[in-house]
Amino acid sequence: DVKVTQSSRYLVKRTGEKVFLECVQDMDHENMFWYRQDPGLGLRLIYFSYDVKMKEKGDIPEGYSVSREKKERFSLILESASTNQTSMYLCASSLPYGGGSISYNEQFFGPGTRLTVL
Amino acid sequence: QQQVKQSPQSLIVQKGGIPIINCAYENTAFDYFPWYQQFPGKGPALLIAIRPDVSEKKEGRFTISFNKSAKQFSLHIMDSQPGDSATYFCAASKDPDKLIFGTGTRLQVFP
Repeated sequence: DVKVTQSSRYLVKRTGEKVFLECVQDMDHENMFWYRQDPGLGLRLIYFSYDVKMKEKGDIPEGYSVSREKKERFSLILESASTNQTSMYLCASSLPYGGGSISYNEQFFGPGTRLTVL
Repeated sequence: QQQVKQSPQSLIVQKGGIPIINCAYENTAFDYFPWYQQFPGKGPALLIAIRPDVSEKKEGRFTISFNKSAKQFSLHIMDSQPGDSATYFCAASKDPDKLIFGTGTRLQVFP
């Protein structure tokens, strides 16, 4: 079974702090994603990586950066945390686009990190 | 054109009922439509997915109905059970690597 793990389930930080959220997957997936989940807004893509050291901005990249130095690990960085970044952060991984099966491109999600910025 | 609109926001049914969740999209280039199920404290997990070359897909008690001309698709849960209580997200994409998610529907199934 695919396993995506996130470094913390709950995190409380102060405004202005630099915050690192870590994600590790064990299925040798090329793609990794960071989303934030807010009530009434669904899941919104922050950043996407399709290979080591490669990244693309998602829909809401402002205030965030990412790092992917190894294939299995994808980090989300909040350079200077603000209260409006209080949210649930979800990491996911998948195989790259392709394959005949419709489930080939399934995204596998971690359990999430609930970040509170005070 | 990138939005996926999902309704209702919440849904309460009794055991055995057939909850229906609806989604609508604007981008006619979308060609991949998955549904994800999320239980409290867990990340979302793929439930069922469809491509626009078919109008319906069933997997167990879960059915996707797809109306290409109306740009709408829906999830039906037959004989719903309390264990189906979860939040459901529709999504759409023209590139399965980059999904656009709906806002989610919280389903509660009472015994």
